[in-house]
Amino acid sequence: RKEVEQDPGPFNVPEGATVAFNCTYSNSASQSFFWYRQDCRKEPKLLMSVYSSGNEDGRFTAQLNRASQYISLLIRDSKLSDSATYLCVVNIDDDYKLSFGAGTTVTVRA
Amino acid sequence: DAGITQSPRYKITETGRQVTLMCHQTWSHSYMFWYRQDLGHGLRLIYYSAAADITDKGEVPDGYVVSRSKTENFPLTLESATRSQTSVYFCASSESRDRAPSSGNTIYFGEGSWLTVV
Repeated sequence: RKEVEQDPGPFNVPEGATVAFNCTYSNSASQSFFWYRQDCRKEPKLLMSVYSSGNEDGRFTAQLNRASQYISLLIRDSKLSDSATYLCVVNIDDDYKLSFGAGTTVTVRA
Repeated sequence: DAGITQSPRYKITETGRQVTLMCHQTWSHSYMFWYRQDLGHGLRLIYYSAAADITDKGEVPDGYVVSRSKTENFPLTLESATRSQTSVYFCASSESRDRAPSSGNTIYFGEGSWLTVV
């Protein structure tokens, strides 16, 4: 079983729509959680950390559910520029070893 | 601000050849990493280094060798390339020995090296 699993999508949404997707992780000892964004043929970049209480960064909202072992990302008022693959990332041992999901692809259409 | 750079960006090589992917960072970050990314898989850690002359295996180290004689460089060598090593390779670095991403220390990735083994 993979440590981090994501629905690959693609999620095709119109501009202005809200899109949300989850990521599940297998190790209950996981300590830190992140969403990275990766554009086509580019390197991943940190989008946001995910805190236990949930957190927002502009149009992006991340939630953590430790009981069910998943994190979520919600994008409000989608923009064309939000089209990307979103990688769920989990840090288990609280050192530098990160486990990456395979990514969820979001395509925002005009 | 050059950041983290990888070379070559694109490489085609033959099975059995030795290939070295270079990674250079200008931030003096302590930690450096090599990941590979394949379709359907998340990024998988090959090797990482906590400091110069300190390296450790990641999830998929077989067939790869690394070294870190200087803080700023972290080359990855495929000693005898195989078709299964066709992939996109990302080098990354992180700035602190503290509790890394959990304290907001971002991992920064290079632009990637596309390697095809024929």
